[in-house]
Amino acid sequence: DIQMTQSPSSLSASVGDRVTITCRASQGISNYLAWYQQKPGKAPELLIFAASTLQLGVPSRFSGGGSGTEFTLTISSLQPEDVATYYCQKYNSGPRTFGQGTKVEIK
Amino acid sequence: QVHLVQSGADVKNPGASVKVSCKASGYTFTNYYIHWVRQAPGQGLEWMGIINPSGATTSYAQRFQGRVTMTSDTSASTVYMELSSLRSEDTAVYYCARDQGLAQPWLSYWGQGTLVTVSS
Repeated sequence: DIQMTQSPSSLSASVGDRVTITCRASQGISNYLAWYQQKPGKAPELLIFAASTLQLGVPSRFSGGGSGTEFTLTISSLQPEDVATYYCQKYNSGPRTFGQGTKVEIK
Repeated sequence: QVHLVQSGADVKNPGASVKVSCKASGYTFTNYYIHWVRQAPGQGLEWMGIINPSGATTSYAQRFQGRVTMTSDTSASTVYMELSSLRSEDTAVYYCARDQGLAQPWLSYWGQGTLVTVSS
């Protein structure tokens, strides 16, 4: 099965900082990748699908990129409401594996 | 407006089974697949499997094969996830989630989650 590895596992940044999270697949998955945001005590919410397409209603400071085995989620200007854990998920054939998550905090 | 409403929290003894329901509304129930995802306390998301509510075809993650059964009741617009031979490590919040349709398998809508506690 394809494994999904995120880095870092956690980060702390200041309001207004640019933040980038990386997700690596153990085999190529084209652009079959989604990103989710989960705030404490809440269900996850879809941010990005097809590696780079923003879900309706998601602020434009979020962006996704990559293809094949390496993907990124970028927050261009970190806001207090972005404090959450972020997960990538592959959705091509086979198990729809999630990355282990990246916890984002405000410094 | 799409809604997925799950059954309430449950406490089970080790070795027992639990059945969690997920009632869908606001869309044509048979047109979209439902996934089950769980999250142990303080841990990440774990994909458990998928069901096509129309034909009730399923695909399960290998680690749950033989222990999980996903079913659907089209008359009630409800899917069910039953996990058997429970152990303490199965204590988790269980989520149902709907994808966006054929060739759009990202998870656009999520239930509120159901906490299952396995404890003697």
